[in-house]
Amino acid sequence: AQTVTQSQPEMSVQEAETVTLSCTYDTSENNYYLFWYKQPPSRQMILVIRQEAYKQQNATENRFSVNFQKAAKSFSLKISDSQLGDTAMYFCAFWSGAQKLVFGQGTRLTINP
Amino acid sequence: GAGVSQSPSNKVTEKGKDVELRCDPISGHTALYWYRQSLGQGLEFLIYFQGNSAPDKSGLPSDRFSAERTGGSVSTLTIQRTQQEDSAVYLCASSSGTGMTYGYTFGSGTRLTVV
Repeated sequence: AQTVTQSQPEMSVQEAETVTLSCTYDTSENNYYLFWYKQPPSRQMILVIRQEAYKQQNATENRFSVNFQKAAKSFSLKISDSQLGDTAMYFCAFWSGAQKLVFGQGTRLTINP
Repeated sequence: GAGVSQSPSNKVTEKGKDVELRCDPISGHTALYWYRQSLGQGLEFLIYFQGNSAPDKSGLPSDRFSAERTGGSVSTLTIQRTQQEDSAVYLCASSSGTGMTYGYTFGSGTRLTVV
């Protein structure tokens, strides 16, 4: 069974700094997708970024980028120029053909003014 | 609708009572998922519906939990004889079922408190 591990329960940085959230996963699959979701206090899960395992190029969405290391089964999220609105829980998630997302335990990120 | 709608937003119930949680997915989405999020925890898969196929119930924690999806659209998650450990946020999500190009779209969840 696939597992997703986020080893940082909480992180805190100053506004405008860069922060990196870690995620590792375990799978025997070769084709799969990885995601980062953001959950603000409103509770709604918001898709931040997506990576397809067969693509070597790291995904980027504005201030958000990933460092995908397939051999190491690592999928970290980098937030550049962090903003107060980035304060939220961040979840790493894995999907293969099993048709259900498997989530990590989450990292609570606080951006301080 | 434009998004996934869940109701009620919050529910407080007495231990031993039955509760029903509702999810209205995005129109046209064939796949629907229920997850549970206990305080400060990650998301725990409960059940998955895809079109007219038999649902994947492998995540339901006990036989007190059940779910149905009527007409391939609205879904109801029922918890019978609620216990305090059932207190959590219950999240519903839907997807087009054609792959993971866009991931899931989640609702805002129902916060269930069993007292």
